[in-house]
Amino acid sequence: AQSVTQLDSHVSVSEGTPVLLRCNYSSSYSPSLFWYVQHPNKGLQLLLKYTSAATLVKGINGFEAEFKKSETSFHLTKPSAHMSDAAEYFCVVSDSGGYQKVTFGTGTKLQVIP
Amino acid sequence: KAGVTQTPRYLIKTRGQQVTLSCSPISGHRSVSWYQQTPGQGLQFLFEYFSETQRNKGNFPGRFSGRQFSNSRSEMNVSTLELGDSALYLCASSQIGAGGTDTQYFGPGTRLTVL
Repeated sequence: AQSVTQLDSHVSVSEGTPVLLRCNYSSSYSPSLFWYVQHPNKGLQLLLKYTSAATLVKGINGFEAEFKKSETSFHLTKPSAHMSDAAEYFCVVSDSGGYQKVTFGTGTKLQVIP
Repeated sequence: KAGVTQTPRYLIKTRGQQVTLSCSPISGHRSVSWYQQTPGQGLQFLFEYFSETQRNKGNFPGRFSGRQFSNSRSEMNVSTLELGDSALYLCASSQIGAGGTDTQYFGPGTRLTVL
């Protein structure tokens, strides 16, 4: 069985300060992990993906995430928030044990204060 | 390459009607998955099609159905609409199927409002 927990439903940061969005996962197999972003009334856009290569994954728009197996975490970070980062972020886990075993987190809404 | 396209983008229907939504995947992608997104329930998996076959199904009533054509385009149908079916319906395509290392690419969604 697999599951994913996004620890914060809302995060608020000031423009120019670091962003940390937390995600913990549970998986019976070697997982693939994804972060997606969704702007209002839009579809989901892939930010980055971990598939058992380097544990530090760099994505688009300055985001990165670190896979920590011992902590079962895959937190998303960005050194400096921009107003355009305000959106909802989804952490997703995918088991290698079968196709379409994809579980979405409940999402974290990021607010960026000018 | 063009991205995933969904039509129509917005729909307004009344209770009891039926609706058909369409999704065109990225060229070369054979897997299409459908999701329902609502404020209360978040993103919920509806079903996945691969090479015209439904390969996996979420926990939704039989009023929700879908199909995939030989060109990988997919449609989903909801019959006897209920107010609770109001949602953003997202389609995602991937090369061999979501799960494992394959990446899903999402369309912009169809916003369905049931009155």
